[in-house]
Amino acid sequence: AQTVTQSQPEMSVQEAETVTLSCTYDTSESDYYLFWYKQPPSRQMILVIRQEAYKQQNATENRFSVNFQKAAKSFSLKISDSQLGDAAMYFCVYNTNAGKSTFGDGTTLTVKP
Amino acid sequence: GAVVSQHPSWVICKSGTSVKIECRSLDFQATTMFWYRQFPKQSLMLMATSNEGSKATYEQGVEKDKFLINHASLTLSTLTVTSAHPEDSSFYICSAGGAGTQETQYFGPGTRLLVL
Repeated sequence: AQTVTQSQPEMSVQEAETVTLSCTYDTSESDYYLFWYKQPPSRQMILVIRQEAYKQQNATENRFSVNFQKAAKSFSLKISDSQLGDAAMYFCVYNTNAGKSTFGDGTTLTVKP
Repeated sequence: GAVVSQHPSWVICKSGTSVKIECRSLDFQATTMFWYRQFPKQSLMLMATSNEGSKATYEQGVEKDKFLINHASLTLSTLTVTSAHPEDSSFYICSAGGAGTQETQYFGPGTRLLVL
């Protein structure tokens, strides 16, 4: 079974600064997908970024980028130019091809004005 | 983008009654949907995998007779909490793969259930 570990229960960042959220996972599969989802106070899960395991190139989406280290089974999220609207709980998620998800415990991000 | 809706968004019921929650994929067909439960400030816990036209697959520890799942069509899955008790109070979320790509899940907005 897969496991996902987020070692930072809480993080804070100053507005306009950069923050990195950590995630490690364990799997015996070679083909899988990794995601970061954001859950604001509304509790709607919002897809932030996705990474296919077979791709070496790190995914980027505007101010969000990942550092994917497949051999180390590490998948960190970097948020640049942090904004107040980035405040949320962030989940690192591992997906199989069939869409079955394994979630990390989440990291609560606070953005200070 | 792929949109998933849930209804109702909020429900309060008396202990012993049954509650049905609907999950719909609005602009795509979903052969598989997933149901999760989330307690405050905690992660999502997978309850079951809902398969269109067949029985749901439940995770270990989830009572299938308590949480009835029906996937009647390619756009609708329902979760019925039978004989609800206060300990069933929680936030329930469904997800579905978008546009045939199962590996990316899109989530519904969730349903808050409070059992008195």
